[in-house]
Amino acid sequence: SQKIEQNSEALNIQEGKTATLTCNYTNYSPAYLQWYRQDPGRGPVFLLLIRENEKEKRKERLKVTFDTTLKQSLFHITASQPADSATYLCALESTGNQFYFGTGTSLTVIP
Amino acid sequence: NAGVMQNPRHLVRRRGQEARLRCSPMKGHSHVYWYRQLPEEGLKFMVYLQKENIIDESGMPKERFSAEFPKEGPSILRIQQVVRGDSAAYFCASSAYSRSGNTIYFGEGSWLTVV
Repeated sequence: SQKIEQNSEALNIQEGKTATLTCNYTNYSPAYLQWYRQDPGRGPVFLLLIRENEKEKRKERLKVTFDTTLKQSLFHITASQPADSATYLCALESTGNQFYFGTGTSLTVIP
Repeated sequence: NAGVMQNPRHLVRRRGQEARLRCSPMKGHSHVYWYRQLPEEGLKFMVYLQKENIIDESGMPKERFSAEFPKEGPSILRIQQVVRGDSAAYFCASSAYSRSGNTIYFGEGSWLTVV
């Protein structure tokens, strides 16, 4: 069965630095990969979608890469701010249009 | 422009009672997904429905859990004879299409506590 792994430990970085989160997957060849943000007590919010034929996607301070050979996606937040503190989830879409999520990485940006 | 609406936000049930969680998808969306999230864990897929059809229920426990999405009204996730292990956050998401590359939009969740 498919397995999606994200940084298991919480990530703490200083304000202004770049945060890099990792999503690795096995036994799967998704055509699309998505990233979501989840705040405590709230539902996940969609951030970015990247297709298998796209190496990189950007949106404001966010950048996502997708390496289908390594089966890995990297999620970068540049010039990080305390307001970026949240849990970030990667999600893969199966052939049956279900979405499977990683366990998430908790990010804390320290002022 | 309402998003995905879930209710109740918080629900407390005694062991053995029934829990009913409701989800109204975004306007124009006909596809609904239910997920369960335990503390410190990721979102676990439970079921994928379209209007009047269950498309994939591979993530649903075989007993006590059921879901429906009728022609009219919200989608319902029903848990019969709840046990303490059912305590979790249940999230509903909706999408407009079933094609690949679609984005799903989540509600704010329903927190079930079984005492």
